[in-house]
Amino acid sequence: EVQLVESGGGLVKPGGSLRLSCAASGFTFSSYSMNWVRQAPGKGLEWVSSISSSSSYIYYADSVKGRFTISRDNAKNSLYLQMNSLRAEDTAVYYCARSWNDFYGMDVWGQGTTVTVSS
Amino acid sequence: DIQLTQSPSFLSASVGDRVTITCRASQGISSYLAWYQQKPGKAPKLLIYAASTLQSGVPSRFSGSGSGTEFTLTISSLQPEDFATYYCQQLNSYPQTFGQGTKVEIK
Repeated sequence: EVQLVESGGGLVKPGGSLRLSCAASGFTFSSYSMNWVRQAPGKGLEWVSSISSSSSYIYYADSVKGRFTISRDNAKNSLYLQMNSLRAEDTAVYYCARSWNDFYGMDVWGQGTTVTVSS
Repeated sequence: DIQLTQSPSFLSASVGDRVTITCRASQGISSYLAWYQQKPGKAPKLLIYAASTLQSGVPSRFSGSGSGTEFTLTISSLQPEDFATYYCQQLNSYPQTFGQGTKVEIK
């Protein structure tokens, strides 16, 4: 079964750091670009970051550029999001998602992990 | 950045109704548009990619059309399981962006 499972969310104080992980299974992870998408409580979807299959191309939303770092370990079938200098506005459910084609959308999503930034 | 504007933001409809949601891009995005369905507490589900291609396993009552700056998602006969929020997403250029969403509720 094709599956993505996020972990690493939790409660963190403003200015703190958190590292999210996404474990992939059921498909050849190294062949796909991967993404992080977030959703603040009661709000819409916001694209956060994308990384190509070999990590050659990396993109960030302006709202997280310089604070978040996306990475992947194809040997471990894992995607990561290192989040530093967290702000209250980063509070959201964070989803990892697979791009089956870079222009065609995200066809597999994890269940999400919740990040809450609060003092 | 490319902005996507969905209309309406909220839609009240009955089972069996034909429903159309529009997504307008602030600049041309060719056919690099996807549509997603999201139910409360769940991850989004890809419905349509490349503006008009139905994702595998998605019922044929869903269809998409458009290119350039104007796109539509149509549900030909609304079913109880279709009550959800729908989002468009542009993949023409980074940063990728989503529309603000259209919530479809039961009348």
